[in-house]
Amino acid sequence: QKEVEQNSGPLSVPEGAIASLNCTYSDRGSQSFFWYRQYSGKSPELIMSIYSNGDKEDGRFTAQLNKASQYVSLLIRDSQPSDSATYLCAVRSGYSTLTFGKGTMLLVSP
Amino acid sequence: AAGVIQSPRHLIKEKRETATLKCYPIPRHDTVYWYQQGPGQDPQFLISFYEKMQSDKGSIPDRFSAQQFSDYHSELNMSSLELGDSALYFCASSLRLAGEYYEQYFGPGTRLTVT
Repeated sequence: QKEVEQNSGPLSVPEGAIASLNCTYSDRGSQSFFWYRQYSGKSPELIMSIYSNGDKEDGRFTAQLNKASQYVSLLIRDSQPSDSATYLCAVRSGYSTLTFGKGTMLLVSP
Repeated sequence: AAGVIQSPRHLIKEKRETATLKCYPIPRHDTVYWYQQGPGQDPQFLISFYEKMQSDKGSIPDRFSAQQFSDYHSELNMSSLELGDSALYFCASSLRLAGEYYEQYFGPGTRLTVT
């Protein structure tokens, strides 16, 4: 059973701080990793994808991947109240299917 | 930019009725995925299609079926609806190039309520 684990939170950070979200996965054969943001009752919105070890930056977001440790993270710099949402880590192993973690709720307070 | 379109956005059905959900992928995307998300749950993969052929199958009940048409839109057919089928149903689409599947983009979802 392929598993993706996330801390459910909530993770509370003040506005302007760095939010750090973590995810571990069980399948060593996993090739592709994604972070989705989901507001309550809305659809998942892709914010980052990462395929190789290291860091990938896009604006205020940085994704980090360590395949040896089976660990992927998302850093959000200068957090804003509008970043308050559930962040879903998704992993693709070998084919097309995504396995999602249960998500981490992020709360950014003004 | 064009996004995934789903219809209807909301649907209320009674137990044992049938429902059909529709999905129109992003233009030029050739792969469609269906997910079910219950309250407080993560999205669960149901089924996917590539070039009108079923490409992968997840936890889709036997009461459900799906297909992808020549214009790449997809329909999820749900029969003998049960209360537990009440959920958000998302369609996602992606592009496949050189055997690689790329990022999946989700539609706005259909909220199905079974009473």
